[in-house]
Amino acid sequence: QVQLQQWGAGLLKPSETLSLTCAVYGGSFNGSYWSWIRQTPGKGLEWIGEINHSGSTDYNPSLKSRVTMSVDTSKNQYSLKLSSVTAADTAVYYCAAMTGRSWGQGTLVTVSS
Amino acid sequence: DIVMTQSPESLAVSLGERATIDCKSSQNVLYSSNNKNYLAWYQQRPGQPPKLLIYWASTRESGVPDRFSGSGSGTDFTLTISSLQAEDVAVYYCQQYYSTPLTFGGGTKVEIK
Repeated sequence: QVQLQQWGAGLLKPSETLSLTCAVYGGSFNGSYWSWIRQTPGKGLEWIGEINHSGSTDYNPSLKSRVTMSVDTSKNQYSLKLSSVTAADTAVYYCAAMTGRSWGQGTLVTVSS
Repeated sequence: DIVMTQSPESLAVSLGERATIDCKSSQNVLYSSNNKNYLAWYQQRPGQPPKLLIYWASTRESGVPDRFSGSGSGTDFTLTISSLQAEDVAVYYCQQYYSTPLTFGGGTKVEIK
């Protein structure tokens, strides 16, 4: 069973860059796409985008101008950067396998001055 | 974007009774070449990430109790819990994976009456 463990800063100031990393344990890292999803009380679950082992990405158009995803195949890890954050980016961020079967534990990211 | 609309927003059901949740997509999510509906259902308990229950609209994920079933095709889908148990108290989401950006319904909160 694939397990995902994520980490990153939980408190940011407006205009800073959000940075999260997700490590994938078990399964085939090279055989799937890997996603980032966030959850807010107001907007619910929002797909941010996905990346595969070769670095091919697909981003949500609503966030595309601020999102960068990268992958480190040597560590079976992938990362999310979201630039110029505002209070509207306050959310629980999850990494997840594209199959939906495996999710990270979630990271609450709060943007506040 | 494909908009997913769930109803009701909340539902209170007696233990052992049936719970039914509806999900409507703004576009067809049935891929004609393989006759598969690109629709999943998730369960989310407080403080936990979503858990995959159903994929391809009606295929139960391994380990999911058979009281959970999914039905529907095209744009209209239903999740049924045939006999509600205490551990089923949660928020349930539908998700389409027919096209990116992947999108989720707003969620249905299921409680015990």
